[in-house]
Amino acid sequence: QKEVEQDPGPLSVPEGAIVSLNCTYSNSAFQYFMWYRQYSRKGPELLMYTYSSGNKEDGRFTAQVDKSSKYISLFIRDSQPSDSATYLCAMRTTGGFKTIFGAGTRLFVKA
Amino acid sequence: EAQVTQNPRYLITVTGKKLTVTCSQNMNHEYMSWYRQDPGLGLRQIYYSMNVEVTDKGDVPEGYKVSRKEKRNFPLILESPSPNQTSLYFCASNPSGTGYQETQYFGPGTRLLVL
Repeated sequence: QKEVEQDPGPLSVPEGAIVSLNCTYSNSAFQYFMWYRQYSRKGPELLMYTYSSGNKEDGRFTAQVDKSSKYISLFIRDSQPSDSATYLCAMRTTGGFKTIFGAGTRLFVKA
Repeated sequence: EAQVTQNPRYLITVTGKKLTVTCSQNMNHEYMSWYRQDPGLGLRQIYYSMNVEVTDKGDVPEGYKVSRKEKRNFPLILESPSPNQTSLYFCASNPSGTGYQETQYFGPGTRLLVL
């Protein structure tokens, strides 16, 4: 079993839709949770990060962590064609140097 | 401009021919790492380095070597490449590696094909 599971998609939505991206994990020691966005032929770039449980909002993006269910989510409101990319979840333990990534979900937002 | 550079960006080679992929960062970061990205498997860490002369294995180190003789450079060495090392490789750096709020900067990637 992988430590981090993420549906690879692809996920196709119309412009303006609310997008929900999710990951589940098995290691209860993970404390730091991150979402990266990767455009085609580019390296990943950090989108959002959270520590432990709770929500974090940044513009149209909201990250949620539910440690009791070992489940994290990224919501994108009012999705735009420019949001079309692969979204990778990532997580790390306290003091840990290794970051574990999900497989990435490919998102297409149609105009 | 803060950046991580990798060279070459594309490489086709044959089984057994030693190769090196270079990585350099201009941000004075202590922590650097190498990942490979394969369809359906996401990013998997190969090796990481917490500082000069300090390296450790990631999740998929077999068949790879690294060195960190200078803070800015972290080359990835494939002594005897095999077809299962065909992949997209990314180098990344963070200020220290332990702060969750640190931005991890990724290079543009190196696409390697081993025949």
